[in-house]
Amino acid sequence: EVQVVESGGRLVQPGGSLRLSCATSGLTVSTNHMSWVRQVPGKGLEWVSLIYSGGATSQADYVKGRFTISRHTSNNTVDLQMHSLRPEDTAVYYCAAVAAAAGVRFIFDPWGPGTLVTVSS
Amino acid sequence: DIQMTQSPSSLSASIGDRVAIACRASQTIGNSLNWYQQKPGKAPKLLIYGASKLQSGVPSRFSGGGSGTDFTLSISSLEPEDFATYYCQQSYNFPLTFGGGTKVEIK
Repeated sequence: EVQVVESGGRLVQPGGSLRLSCATSGLTVSTNHMSWVRQVPGKGLEWVSLIYSGGATSQADYVKGRFTISRHTSNNTVDLQMHSLRPEDTAVYYCAAVAAAAGVRFIFDPWGPGTLVTVSS
Repeated sequence: DIQMTQSPSSLSASIGDRVAIACRASQTIGNSLNWYQQKPGKAPKLLIYGASKLQSGVPSRFSGGGSGTDFTLSISSLEPEDFATYYCQQSYNFPLTFGGGTKVEIK
């Protein structure tokens, strides 16, 4: 069974940095695409960033230059390094494995339980 | 960017009702459309991928249809555990985008 679990969320001041981590089991990050999706409390889902199995990355415009996704094949984890955090980055951050099936790419399954990042002074 | 618009944003229904949720893309996306269910305080869960393919383990009362720009998620007979928020997501190109969600509440 594939499982992902996030960690690292906490209260951080505006302008600060934070590193989130996603631990995986049942999959290998060197052969699976992985992604981060966030959700402002009470609001909808917003894609943040994706790392391909080959290591290339893609991210939403609103985090370019501030957030970096990376993976560690030695321990099968995926990180999201966040800099220059803003109050509007306050959200639950979900890690998700990215699947492809029936000719469709970029299907998020499964998702982790999420980790809350609060950006506030 | 491809905008995904869901309707309605919320609906009230009774156990046993048939419900349908619409999702419209701002440009054609073929069948690159996925549906997720989210319950309060929980992570989203994949229900349907490729517009109409039922994810393993998902009850057959859920079904999806459509292609191009217009898609529908249907629940044939609502069960108590189906009261949740549903999101569509396009996986046609980047940035990957979600609809605003449809909250299904008990009448």
